[in-house]
Amino acid sequence: GQQVMQIPQYQHVQEGEDFTTYCNSSTTLSNIQWYKQRPGGHPVFLIQLVKSGEVKKQKRLTFQFGEAKKNSSLHITATQTTDVGTYFCAQQGAQKLVFGQGTRLTINP
Amino acid sequence: ETGVTQTPRHLVMGMTNKKSLKCEQHLGHNAMYWYKQSAKKPLELMFVYSLEERVENNSVPSRFSPECPNSSHLFLHLHTLQPEDSALYLCASSQDRGQIKQFFGPGTRLTVL
Repeated sequence: GQQVMQIPQYQHVQEGEDFTTYCNSSTTLSNIQWYKQRPGGHPVFLIQLVKSGEVKKQKRLTFQFGEAKKNSSLHITATQTTDVGTYFCAQQGAQKLVFGQGTRLTINP
Repeated sequence: ETGVTQTPRHLVMGMTNKKSLKCEQHLGHNAMYWYKQSAKKPLELMFVYSLEERVENNSVPSRFSPECPNSSHLFLHLHTLQPEDSALYLCASSQDRGQIKQFFGPGTRLTVL
């Protein structure tokens, strides 16, 4: 079945350091979405990438979609304590979303 | 606040109990979903409803029974659950089944004793 591999599973950084999570697929993706889930919360949609090589920014967050549309990344510059949580990528399957395992980010203030 | 509400937020039940989880969306969406989120596992899609019709059932055990009486409400009826069913159950909705952006509810934290 469709699978999206996400790495790393956990990441701990000092506040102010950068953070990156990667999402990889063995098949070409039509699009990819990113969600954030705060501790004790629920997933919240961040962004959707559709075009090959697409790069989108939201303040300190940079999202990239690979040229071959088989991978994606989320990069956070100069992390803040408000960035803690689990970041999920999700790919569109047959009329449904398939989520990666998520990367849990913790930050040392 | 995403416009998707779930009740109860926490539920503890024995293996012989029958309970129901409720989800309501106030967004005018046509598709609703149940997900299971266990520790150290990806979000698992359980059921998809589109215009009140079940369109996806991901090999979920029959002890989980969904119901969608209208496009705004979704239930998950639970009976004779197992301790391994303890998890966070998330409801989500989207404009249509093909719409990818999903709005999640806060979830119900279920513990089966």
